[in-house]
Amino acid sequence: NAGVTQTPKFQVLKTGQSMTLQCAQDMNHEYMSWYRQDPGMGLRLIHYSVGAGITDQGEVPNGYNVSRSTTEDFPLRLLSAAPSQTSVYFCASSIQGRGRIADTQYFGPGTRLTVL
Amino acid sequence: RKEVEQDPGPFNVPEGATVAFNCTYSNSASQSFFWYRQDCRKEPKLLMSVYSSGNEDGRFTAQLNRASQYISLLIRDSKLSDSATYLCVVFRYGNNRLAFGKGNQVVVIP
Repeated sequence: NAGVTQTPKFQVLKTGQSMTLQCAQDMNHEYMSWYRQDPGMGLRLIHYSVGAGITDQGEVPNGYNVSRSTTEDFPLRLLSAAPSQTSVYFCASSIQGRGRIADTQYFGPGTRLTVL
Repeated sequence: RKEVEQDPGPFNVPEGATVAFNCTYSNSASQSFFWYRQDCRKEPKLLMSVYSSGNEDGRFTAQLNRASQYISLLIRDSKLSDSATYLCVVFRYGNNRLAFGKGNQVVVIP
């Protein structure tokens, strides 16, 4: 049982490049989400999903796309990287599904992204 | 006003001492409350949920005050291993998203 895995651990991009951050969980969790964490800002929600085929925007969705074709995977795509997207990105999952009270969030180890 | 507010600190605590800090939330409809711990350059991990009646887990005690809209965390007999950032997290039923505070940084000093 690996929990929540994220790849890559580190990434450096040039402005304008695109890339996909991978997130996978093996706990059969319905709810998955992406956060970014910047110094002095706390964790901010980018996108989330309450189940396969369903995604929704969080607090800071601009510049990012997501899809949820399977329960296990929730990739985050940066369409055209900008220096403002330099951050640490965390993926999280929980049992919680639609309309249910929040349950324990399990976080992946994070991806440290630098955009030059 | 931010949905969840915390004083980032740092809170410098002598080993063996007690430290306490609060987190305020702005939405009175908030229903579930949690404390997460985050070590430097690591992912957050659940420390404890916070119940209306208050709850204790070893040296950690969490309290909820709905009237004043804050939750608190108290750490007794601080250990060096307690050095971390403690994140306050709030959930509103039907919102399907969590709101995180910026965290309270605790540094336990030998």
